[in-house]
Amino acid sequence: AQSVAQPEDQVNVAEGNPLTVKCTYSVSGNPYLFWYVQYPNRGLQFLLKYITGDNLVKGSYGFEAEFNKSQTSFHLKKPSALVSDSALYFCAVRDVNTNAGKSTFGDGTTLTVKP
Amino acid sequence: GAGVSQSPSNKVTEKGKDVELRCDPISGHTALYWYRQSLGQGLEFLIYFQGNSAPDKSGLPSDRFSAERTGGSVSTLTIQRTQQEDSAVYLCASSQQGGANTGELFFGEGSRLTVL
Repeated sequence: AQSVAQPEDQVNVAEGNPLTVKCTYSVSGNPYLFWYVQYPNRGLQFLLKYITGDNLVKGSYGFEAEFNKSQTSFHLKKPSALVSDSALYFCAVRDVNTNAGKSTFGDGTTLTVKP
Repeated sequence: GAGVSQSPSNKVTEKGKDVELRCDPISGHTALYWYRQSLGQGLEFLIYFQGNSAPDKSGLPSDRFSAERTGGSVSTLTIQRTQQEDSAVYLCASSQQGGANTGELFFGEGSRLTVL
């Protein structure tokens, strides 16, 4: 069975500081990894993904994430946080080797960026 | 349409009534998911359809919940004899999986259900 852990329910950072939202995963095969974001009173939207290749992937709104196979992690990062980044963030995993397998989501992390 | 469409966007019902929520996925997407989200909380997986395979119903919370997907496209989530604890936002998502497709999900705006 596959699973995702987001160890922090809440992350608070000051505007302009770097941010990290943590994610670790467990999957029997190789992973596809995803981050999604849900802004207040808005729908969930795809942010970025790791499929293969370069361990550092870049996505929308200046976000990036680093895949670390040995630590089974896929932490979301941004060098300089904006107040508008405040949202609920979800990490998700799919097993590459299960072609039709479903995505499994973490419980989400609420990011609050204060001015 | 270009995105995942859900209807109704809001539904207020009385306890004990049945409700149907509809999801129209992105054309050609083989996978369809239903989730439930309480206010500001995480996603609770309900059911997963992939192509012609038997659906994964492991997340349905009780036998009052059921879902079908007709013709591999539109899906309907039915809640019978609604209870107040069923109040939540019901999210539908679709994705293209298999082959070179990586399967990121595209979500609808959700159907907000309030059971009085």
